[in-house]
Amino acid sequence: GAGVSQSPSNKVTEKGKDVELRCDPISGHTALYWYRQRLGQGLEFLIYFQGNSAPDKSGLPSDRFSAERTGESVSTLTIQRTQQEDSAVYLCASSLARGRHSNYGYTFGSGTRLTVV
Amino acid sequence: AQRVTQPEKLLSVFKGAPVELKCNYSYSGSPELFWYVQYSRQRLQLLLRHISRESIKGFTADLNKGETSFHLKKPFAQEEDSAMYYCALRYNNNDMRFGAGTRLTVKP
Repeated sequence: GAGVSQSPSNKVTEKGKDVELRCDPISGHTALYWYRQRLGQGLEFLIYFQGNSAPDKSGLPSDRFSAERTGESVSTLTIQRTQQEDSAVYLCASSLARGRHSNYGYTFGSGTRLTVV
Repeated sequence: AQRVTQPEKLLSVFKGAPVELKCNYSYSGSPELFWYVQYSRQRLQLLLRHISRESIKGFTADLNKGETSFHLKKPFAQEEDSAMYYCALRYNNNDMRFGAGTRLTVKP
């Protein structure tokens, strides 16, 4: 597609429910990243995919968080048993394949605003 | 460990005044630095990258390896520059570490 697409754009859920957030990267972008942006705070790295493998899951805050990716396309971030502190904007970014000489920044989606009530 | 520090959470200047958004980094390898910007109700987007030595929307940033800094500067701020600015360090070929961000407000 023309850009990174995320859905839903807004999600309000009750505490304790599970949510699934979706990211469609730019076609051909093999690298995909999830970040969390809490109100008034910076970007918090969650997880990185290269193709459909996740070599770096170090940013996932707890075992309630998981993510998967199908091939080099769609990724879903799942939060189980949501808590109020999960409320944030979840950003997805994609990038062309890694390479020392690449000069590529990330292309970000518009994010999913999650509110846990 | 890789670290990006943006010491100012908020920065406010008047239109026409110079502006400098500070960024310091910590990285043992050869750094590649970026500035990203997020305007109100828009998605986060790349503003400029140090390797290109470019000037975008009047903004420039020079990598100072001695001071491990990559400050973003503009000689005459405009109201439309009001936004959230993130400094980012690229490492491991394309992993990115972001700073906490600085919210710039340009007052009329």
